[in-house]
Amino acid sequence: DAKTTQPPSMDCAEGRAANLPCNHSTISGNEYVYWYRQIHSQGPQYIIHGLKNNETNEMASLIITEDRKSSTLILPHATLRDTAVYYCIVRVGYGQNFVFGPGTRLSVLP
Amino acid sequence: NAGVMQNPRHLVRRRGQEARLRCSPMKGHSHVYWYRQLPEEGLKFMVYLQKENIIDESGMPKERFSAEFPKEGPSILRIQQVVRGDSAAYFCASSQGVGKSNEQYFGPGTRLTVT
Repeated sequence: DAKTTQPPSMDCAEGRAANLPCNHSTISGNEYVYWYRQIHSQGPQYIIHGLKNNETNEMASLIITEDRKSSTLILPHATLRDTAVYYCIVRVGYGQNFVFGPGTRLSVLP
Repeated sequence: NAGVMQNPRHLVRRRGQEARLRCSPMKGHSHVYWYRQLPEEGLKFMVYLQKENIIDESGMPKERFSAEFPKEGPSILRIQQVVRGDSAAYFCASSQGVGKSNEQYFGPGTRLTVT
């Protein structure tokens, strides 16, 4: 079973920051937080992951609370092409499959 | 650097036929995962393989489905005697298999339609 809880859907205005929350209150000390997205029916796309520190890359930022029980994915300037289902997954780093929950369907509106 | 390759992208089979789906991992990756996505549903894990070994097949149906990842060549997901319920998108992912954070990179998927 997925160990995360996400809102089923969110809207965001184009050009604004999209903040996608994720609760993972039962996360273990050695589990990472991963974010993926699936645009339409394409293969899931890796976005970012982190353990306990905040992370940033060219796509997004990941903010993890100090107690690690929740996190937020931030798309700083959402575009229409960011419309997708976003999945938050917690997982031990090595050798385990991902358990995908229903995710958050983000709609970026013009 | 080529990503994960899957072929065919679309496959149509009649009930009772066999379906073979191929996956070539990213260069340098030795771990392969297969997932299935039924229409309007999320991805479900099927099987995890390393070269010549099945590590975890807890998500594989007990009958008709098999997977392999030979020493040379792509990973193969084989579905024998397909039924309409096998119609789905099948995604393959690969990872390096080493290191503490082991992100998986997904291919574009094979869409299987059983008529």
